[in-house]
Amino acid sequence: GAVVSQHPSRVICKSGTSVKIECRSLDFQATTMFWYRQFPKQSLMLMATSNEGSKATYEQGVEKDKFLINHASLTLSTLTVTSAHPEDSSFYICIPQGLAGGYSTDTQYFGPGTRLTVL
Amino acid sequence: GENVEQHPSTLSVQEGDSAVIKCTYSDSASNYFPWYKQELGKGPQLIIDIRSNVGEKKDQRIAVTLNKTAKHFSLHITETQPEDSAVYFCAASIYPAGGGNKLTFGTGTQLKVEL
Repeated sequence: GAVVSQHPSRVICKSGTSVKIECRSLDFQATTMFWYRQFPKQSLMLMATSNEGSKATYEQGVEKDKFLINHASLTLSTLTVTSAHPEDSSFYICIPQGLAGGYSTDTQYFGPGTRLTVL
Repeated sequence: GENVEQHPSTLSVQEGDSAVIKCTYSDSASNYFPWYKQELGKGPQLIIDIRSNVGEKKDQRIAVTLNKTAKHFSLHITETQPEDSAVYFCAASIYPAGGGNKLTFGTGTQLKVEL
């Protein structure tokens, strides 16, 4: 099946710093990228949706200036948490969608996630 | 938008017993219902899914049933084993995917299989 990588898998940073998370679809073209976050013991909540080459669409309550999304290519999308604060500590997961071998990748190919801890 | 509710939030069963987790959804346009298993510290993994053109799907000890009229679907795990202990999430989406058909997740069920 399709492979998705996410880097870093774990990051600890000081409050006020920015953190960039990369999501790569290794063997298919991700025309759409969903970014989710999961707070401890909670469900996955959609943050934003991006289409390659377009600006991301953010869900209500998600600050677009704080969570910068770049989806400049069909294999790479980045999420930058700017001026991170402890309340941004969460598990961030990307879910790319697109075509692999002419077939939709469906919604089953999750990135392995990035655990962000802001001190 | 879609709203998915999941019950129970925690479920404890004895090894060998069956476990059932139920979800309801609100958007009648949703037609794809995957289930995910998330182990501690890891991302969710797809374990089974069902599309709205079928009412039941089975894969070894795992089965999923769908009632489109009532807008609910359930996960059934038979002969539970300790390694089934994890958090399970249901989700709803509109298939075919691609072009922005996002998943809406349920709130999760912590399943504990006791020896």
